[in-house]
Amino acid sequence: QKEVEQNSGPLSVPEGAIASLNCTYSDRGSQSFFWYRQYSGKSPELIMSIYSNGDKEDGRFTAQLNKASQYVSLLIRDSQPSDSATYLCAVTEYSGAGSYQLTFGKGTKLSVIP
Amino acid sequence: DVKVTQSSRYLVKRTGEKVFLECVQDMDHENMFWYRQDPGLGLRLIYFSYDVKMKEKGDIPEGYSVSREKKERFSLILESASTNQTSMYLCASSLTQGDSPLHFGNGTRLTVT
Repeated sequence: QKEVEQNSGPLSVPEGAIASLNCTYSDRGSQSFFWYRQYSGKSPELIMSIYSNGDKEDGRFTAQLNKASQYVSLLIRDSQPSDSATYLCAVTEYSGAGSYQLTFGKGTKLSVIP
Repeated sequence: DVKVTQSSRYLVKRTGEKVFLECVQDMDHENMFWYRQDPGLGLRLIYFSYDVKMKEKGDIPEGYSVSREKKERFSLILESASTNQTSMYLCASSLTQGDSPLHFGNGTRLTVT
């Protein structure tokens, strides 16, 4: 069973600080990695995609991928109370016969304290 | 922007009823998915479809069926609703397999009494 692991939190950070969210995955063949944000009672929304080792920046968000360590992270700079949400890590893995499977972690709840 | 529309935001049904959840996407995506989300259990895949009239079971297909008669529409059917099917149901679509992210609808909060 392919697994995607996240610390469930809650992770509390003060407003203006850097929030660091981590995700590990079990399948070395994984190729595509995504971070979703989900507000309470709402559906997940895509905030970052990353496909190759290294960092990818988009505004206050930076995704970091290390395939050798099977580790992907999301950094949120200058955290705002509006960033308070659950962050889901998702990893696409090849499941054979031309099919791919997207596996989600259970999410890390982030709370930004004003 | 991709738009995935689920027909109902909230739904209350009685045990034993047949329930239809409808989902429509407007971006000509090949792939469509149905998930349910429960506290502590995360997102669990019920069924998915990579083409019209094609369906594949996900991790928890029992008690559910699906229909995809047109590319843009993917329906989830609860043949005989039970209280343990009370959940948030999320439809999603993606452009391709493998490297495309999922785009989710707003979700349907189903309560079975």
